Amino acid sequence: EAGVAQSPRYKIIEKRQSVAFWCNPISGHATLYWYQQILGQGPKLLIQFQNNGVVDDSQLPKDRFSAERLKGVDSTLKIQPAKLEDSAVYLCASSLTGEEQYFGPGTRLTVT
Amino acid sequence: KQEVTQIPAALSVPEGENLVLNCSFTDSAIYNLQWFRQDPGKGLTSLLLIQSSQREQTSGRLNASLDKSSGRSTLYIAASQPGDSATYLCAVGDYKLSFGAGTTVTVRA
Repeated sequence: EAGVAQSPRYKIIEKRQSVAFWCNPISGHATLYWYQQILGQGPKLLIQFQNNGVVDDSQLPKDRFSAERLKGVDSTLKIQPAKLEDSAVYLCASSLTGEEQYFGPGTRLTVT
Repeated sequence: KQEVTQIPAALSVPEGENLVLNCSFTDSAIYNLQWFRQDPGKGLTSLLLIQSSQREQTSGRLNASLDKSSGRSTLYIAASQPGDSATYLCAVGDYKLSFGAGTTVTVRA
């Protein structure tokens, strides 16, 4: 069974630029999550999708972050404009039952 | 708001020693508790999932216990190996996981 795929793996941008991350969940997993992990901290949930609908985006900074999940499969997370404090690893996870979550390798973003 | 704490932040042990990793949480009305492993530059690998009705789970050399009344979980790794060197994170919740900051383990050969 293929795992959660994410791209790119690394991205370096200047502040005020925009960036987008892509996630392909495990086949058949209806629930998809985006997390932000700042160095030295545990991941923090940004947004959760159930199929292509948003379940929870309470911790998503909506003035600069946006996310979508078209057709209930792939998802993209966008940051525009980026700030220095957005430097982090962005993790995508998916779940079949909502109990156990499976994580992708993450995208490491550096904002200079 | 659920707060999850993992102490110590780092741990170094000689190969063969048993590892004991601690996780505490503030809200005992949890749904599940999940232990993850994270290698440098990698994503999270799920190790064990303990449902709220369970008290422990085992997989190979790994055993995790859950005591909701005291707000604690413990991950035991028997006979540690250098390949066990990684950061171990615990997370509690239902669909919305609250993570600890992790314990970074180094197993010395």
